[in-house]
Amino acid sequence: LAKTTQPISMDSYEGQEVNITCSHNNIATNDYITWYQQFPSQGPRFIIQGYKTKVTNEVASLFIPADRKSSTLSLPRVSLSDTAVYYCLVGPSGSARQLTFGSGTQLTVLP
Amino acid sequence: ETGVTQTPRHLVMGMTNKKSLKCEQHLGHNAMYWYKQSAKKPLELMFVYNFKEQTENNSVPSRFSPECPNSSHLFLHLHTLQPEDSALYLCASSQDLKGRQDGYTFGSGTRLTVV
Repeated sequence: LAKTTQPISMDSYEGQEVNITCSHNNIATNDYITWYQQFPSQGPRFIIQGYKTKVTNEVASLFIPADRKSSTLSLPRVSLSDTAVYYCLVGPSGSARQLTFGSGTQLTVLP
Repeated sequence: ETGVTQTPRHLVMGMTNKKSLKCEQHLGHNAMYWYKQSAKKPLELMFVYNFKEQTENNSVPSRFSPECPNSSHLFLHLHTLQPEDSALYLCASSQDLKGRQDGYTFGSGTRLTVV
C-alpha cells in the first residue's frame, strides 16, 4: 500500500476555496486516489476518486498531476458544515483489500 | 442515513458488564467490517466478514467477539472491557472483498465509554 502524507490540520473561512494536498510518492501504476470525509461522531463518507488529471463532482474536485505523486482535493466556497477530517487513501481499486486510513487532515472552517 | 445502521449510538458500560453492538445493512453488500476509532487516532480495522465468514482478525483481544449471522447483520459482543477500549466503533460494508475504494459505506458508529 502506498504511504500517504497530508497536513494534520488546516483553517479556512467561509466562502473560501480550500485545497488539501496529499503526497503519495510510492503510488503504483494500478493505484487509485480516493478521498473520504468524516464528521465528528460519524463514519467516513466517500467524496471523490480519481486516477489521473482532474475529476469533478457536485462536492469537490480532485487534481492529479501527470506523475501522480501527489493529489489535491479542492472544496469550492466552503461553509461551516464542511468542518471535518479529510482522508486521502491510495490503493488498487477492485482488488481484495480493505480501507487503510491515515491520520487525515482536520479542516476547520471559521465564520 | 447511509444504509448502514448501528445501535446503540451511545453506550456506557462497566468493566464487568456484557453488552453487544449491532450493525445492519440493507444495501445488498456481502462484506462487513468492524473498525475502532480512538480519540486522536486513525481508524483501526478489527474484523472482516465476507459472506458471513470471518476472513480477518487484526489481533483483536478476545474480550471483543464478533458474530455475523447473515450478510445483513453484524454484531460485536463485549465483555470485561477496559477503560482504554472506550472509542467510536464503526461498522462498514462493501459489495465484497474486491470492493472499490469508493464502495465502502459506513454507519454512524457507537460511542462506547467503559467506566
